[in-house]
Order: sequence, then C-alpha cells, then structure tokens
Amino acid sequence: AQSVTQLDSHVSVSEGTPVLLRCNYSSSYSPSLFWYVQHPNKGLQLLLKYTSAATLVKGINGFEAEFKKSETSFHLTKPSAHMSDAAEYFCVVSDQGSYIPTFGRGTSLIVHP
Amino acid sequence: DGGITQSPKYLFRKEGQNVTLSCEQNLNHDAMYWYRQDPGQGLRLIYYSQIVNDFQKGDIAEGYSVSREKKESFPLTVTSAQKNPTAFYLCASSSRTRNQETQYFGPGTRLLVL
Repeated sequence: AQSVTQLDSHVSVSEGTPVLLRCNYSSSYSPSLFWYVQHPNKGLQLLLKYTSAATLVKGINGFEAEFKKSETSFHLTKPSAHMSDAAEYFCVVSDQGSYIPTFGRGTSLIVHP
Repeated sequence: DGGITQSPKYLFRKEGQNVTLSCEQNLNHDAMYWYRQDPGQGLRLIYYSQIVNDFQKGDIAEGYSVSREKKESFPLTVTSAQKNPTAFYLCASSSRTRNQETQYFGPGTRLLVL
C-alpha cells in the first residue's frame, strides 16, 4: 500500500530565503515520487520526479528534492524563493507498476516581499 | 504542440441538469484520469481508464459517468445525481512507461451550480 503525508499545509517565506516543503511517504514496492506545482485556477505542472536513479533530483525553476529511503522522505527545496514560486505544491507517490498514484493534500507556499 | 486540453474553462449547471466536461490528449497516452479538487482536500480520483473501451471507478465515482471510445478522448459527465458538483475538475494522462507513471495534467474546468 502507498501513502503520502505533506507535513505542512502552509509554508511562509520571505523572497530570497530558502524553501523547504516536507513530504513523507509509505510504499510497499520501489516507489516513484513526484512533486507538482499548481498556480491558482491552473492545472498541475510537473516539477521533478524520482525513479530509482540518483537520489538527488533536480527539477525546473531551481527546485530539487532528495530521496531518503531510511527516513522515507522526499522533501522539496529551493535555495532562494521568488515571488512567482507562490503556489500549491503536491507530493505524489506511485508504487512500481501502479496506475493510480497517491497525492498528498498539498502545501501552500506563501512568499512575502 | 502536444498536451492535454480541457473545455470549457468554466461551466455552469442548473438543478437536475447533466453536463459533460471534455478532455482530449495528443500525447499518445494509454491511461487517462479524472480528478476532483476541492479547497483544502487535494485531488480525489473520480474515474480512470487504462485502455480504450475500459474504465474503472475511483474513490468518488457516485454521480459521475465516463466513456473511452477513443484513445485521445475521455469525457466526464456530471449527472443530476451528483448533489454537490461545484469543484475544479482536472483531467490527466500517463504513458505506460516502465517504472514510472508520470501524469500530465490539463488546465482544468471549474464547474459552478446556478
């Protein structure tokens, strides 16, 4: 069985400071893990994905995430927040061969000037 | 230009009316999905289809129906049996690639009840 927990419903940062969005997962098999971003009234855009290659995954817009099997975590980070990063972020887990991924409830990132 | 299109962007439903949301993809993906999004609840799966002429219920299928007559198209009908249809509806598709099932999303349709 697979599940995902996003540990914060809201994260507030100042522009230019680091971003950390936390995600823990549970999976019975070798998981694929994803982060998506959603701006208001838009669809979801893939930021990055982990599929058992390198544990540090680099994505678009300067985001990256590190797969830590021992901690069952896949936290999303960015060194310096921009105002345009303000959005909803979703962590997603999918067991190998599964057609039905499991979505976290989302973390709203607020960026202050 | 490959991608997923959803129409309309906004849809208004009257009491007792069925409405159909369109989803089309030109990514040559086998699998397609419909999700409902409500504030603070993330995405909930309504229906999914792994192949043409086949589909399965998701977690909240009651009051909805789908068809998959063509690989490119997966329309969703919100029936009058769905008593609380106001939400943002997202369509997605994925290929059958080994060891990953990356989903790609359309821009969404917002359904409002008059």
